[in-house]
Amino acid sequence: QVQLVESGGGVVQPGGSLRLSCAASGFTFSSYGMHWVRQAPGKGLEWVAFIRYDGSNKYYADSVKGRFTISRDNSKNTLYLQMNSLRAEDTAVYYCAKDSQLRGWGYWGQGTLVTVSS
Amino acid sequence: DIQMTQSPSTLSASVGDRVTITCRASQSISSWLAWYQQKPGKAPKLLIYKASSLESGVPSRFSGSGSGTEFTLTISSLQPDDFATYYCQQYNSYTWTFGQGTKVEIK
Repeated sequence: QVQLVESGGGVVQPGGSLRLSCAASGFTFSSYGMHWVRQAPGKGLEWVAFIRYDGSNKYYADSVKGRFTISRDNSKNTLYLQMNSLRAEDTAVYYCAKDSQLRGWGYWGQGTLVTVSS
Repeated sequence: DIQMTQSPSTLSASVGDRVTITCRASQSISSWLAWYQQKPGKAPKLLIYKASSLESGVPSRFSGSGSGTEFTLTISSLQPDDFATYYCQQYNSYTWTFGQGTKVEIK
C-alpha cells in the first residue's frame, strides 16, 4: 500500500533553515511527480511546490519562490523540501502528496509541523 | 494566478440533509477540479477529481458537477461521518490552487 511519511519538522528561528523529507513506499516513486502542501494553524490548504517524476522541472508558489527548494532522490524513494530564510508566516503543517496526472491527489502523508518563532 | 472562491464558508446541516457547496474559479479551468474532505488533525482525503469523477472507495452520496468556472459538490444525504471541512482545488498548467474551505457543522 502507498505510504508517505514526512519528517524533519521542528522549531526554527526566523531567518533559519530546515529540510523536510518525505519517504515514499508502495509505488514506483520514480514514475510520479510529487507535491508539498502546507496548512497554517486553523487555516486552509496552500500548495507549495511540485517536482516532476525525474526532477527535470520544479514549480513553486510565489510565497516561497527563491527561499524553498524541492528536490528528490529516486534511488532513495525520498522527496525533500529545503526551506531557507524562514518567516513566521511559514509556520504550518507540511504535507507531501503524490501526483496522479490529473486524477487528483489520492495519497498524502500525515504531515510534519514547522514552527518559526524566536 | 487562478483564484478559487468557495461558498458558503460555514454550513450548518442535519443528518439526512442534502448539502451543496459551490466553488468558482477566476478563469476557466475546464474540468480540472478536485474536491477534498479534511477532518481535524488529518490529511485531506480525495473525494472527486476531474470535476465529477468519484474516487475509488468514496461513498456514492458524494457527487461533483460543473465545468469552466462554476462547480458544485453535493452530498445527497449527510451522514455523521461527513461533518468536516471541504476544499476545492484547481489544477491547470502546473499551478494548483485551493479554495478557502467550507466547514460543514452539525445543526
